[in-house]
Amino acid sequence: NAGVTQTPKFRVLKTGQSMTLLCAQDMNHEYMYWYRQDPGMGLRLIHYSVGEGTTAKGEVPDGYNVSRLKKQNFLLGLESAAPSQTSVYFCASSYRRRGGLAADTQYFGPGTRLTVL
Amino acid sequence: GQNIDQPTEMTATEGAIVQINCTYQTSGFNGLFWYQQHAGEAPTFLSYNVLDGLEEKGRFSSFLSRSKGYSYLLLKELQMKDSASYLCAVRDGGSQGNLIFGKGTKLSVKP
Repeated sequence: NAGVTQTPKFRVLKTGQSMTLLCAQDMNHEYMYWYRQDPGMGLRLIHYSVGEGTTAKGEVPDGYNVSRLKKQNFLLGLESAAPSQTSVYFCASSYRRRGGLAADTQYFGPGTRLTVL
Repeated sequence: GQNIDQPTEMTATEGAIVQINCTYQTSGFNGLFWYQQHAGEAPTFLSYNVLDGLEEKGRFSSFLSRSKGYSYLLLKELQMKDSASYLCAVRDGGSQGNLIFGKGTKLSVKP
């Protein structure tokens, strides 16, 4: 099992350019997440999905869009990149919560380091 | 509001014991996670607590007190490879149970 993979690993964009980050998981997880991690800020949730065809906003969704057309894939799009979106982006996945005491651990991909000039 | 506090940095000596504290104030609570993150790498799961008490897993233990909004991660017999950031995360009480992460504690282990 590859677990959670992310493409690309690194990218440099100019302000106003667009791009899509791809996340794939082979663990048959229902839930998938996109986070960004900035120095001194911790991990912040951008968008998440509780199943194929569904998406929802997280804490910092502005400037990003997502799609979950297939259960194993979760795409994060930047339509018009801004320098404030320079960050490390992590995708994660987990099983569906089975109840209040279930430890539905999130498994993280290796990250995408994005710089917007 | 949602708030998770943990020290920014800690230093400890190889072979020693270190305790990393985490306090939280969240609108709901449905479990607390600890993750380890080496520089330039992805976070990896260490432990999970949902009931009060101590969970032990090898050299690592995690404690939770829900009434105090407090948890700690205890690392014994420190090794150089334990130098990493340790992230405390609370699963909120909402229907989706998303994780709220603290800013992480960077632990440096010295010889």
